[in-house]
Amino acid sequence: KAGVTQTPRYLIKTRGQQVTLSCSPISGHRSVSWYQQTPGQGLQFLFEYFSETQRNKGNFPGRFSGRQFSNSRSEMNVSTLELGDSALYLCASSTGQAQESPLHFGNGTRLTVT
Amino acid sequence: AQRVTQPEKLLSVFKGAPVELKCNYSYSGSPELFWYVQYSRQRLQLLLRHISRESIKGFTADLNKGETSFHLKKPFAQEEDSAMYYCALDKVDSSYKLIFGSGTRLLVRP
Repeated sequence: KAGVTQTPRYLIKTRGQQVTLSCSPISGHRSVSWYQQTPGQGLQFLFEYFSETQRNKGNFPGRFSGRQFSNSRSEMNVSTLELGDSALYLCASSTGQAQESPLHFGNGTRLTVT
Repeated sequence: AQRVTQPEKLLSVFKGAPVELKCNYSYSGSPELFWYVQYSRQRLQLLLRHISRESIKGFTADLNKGETSFHLKKPFAQEEDSAMYYCALDKVDSSYKLIFGSGTRLLVRP
């Protein structure tokens, strides 16, 4: 089985722009979660989608949004980028039932905002 | 507030020595605890979760609700254990919303 795939691997944007990151989960997985990793704040939960619906949300501003498609692929969008949004964004997938399946992480998209 | 604390940023041991990576948590409900590991140039992956009560790669972790701890232990460290280790907390339900600790880098010297 192919693992969780995130594209692109690297992105450089300027302040004020917006960005879209993509995540393809493991085949058969219906849940996709997003995490932000920074040196200062560590790994922080952004949101989780299951069957095209947002099931959980972390404490991030509304500039951070996401969606999930019928094939379980997910996108994350960040609007009006700020310097502090520079981070590694990790996507993770699971079957959707945490007791049954571990969380599988992708390699991440490294976003740099200048 | 829910929180996971890993007090050591770096733990350096010699090969064959015992290892204990500390993890303390604060959570008012019934928690589920995990250890994730990230080897050099690899993705973050699950090492073990407390409900499984398994030993993975010689590592074990016991949930101590009285001390709110979930320390990771291995009796004899190997060089290939060198990695970044993250303790994580979640509530017991069907979805994942992990709260991670800041991580501990384990360096096993030959």
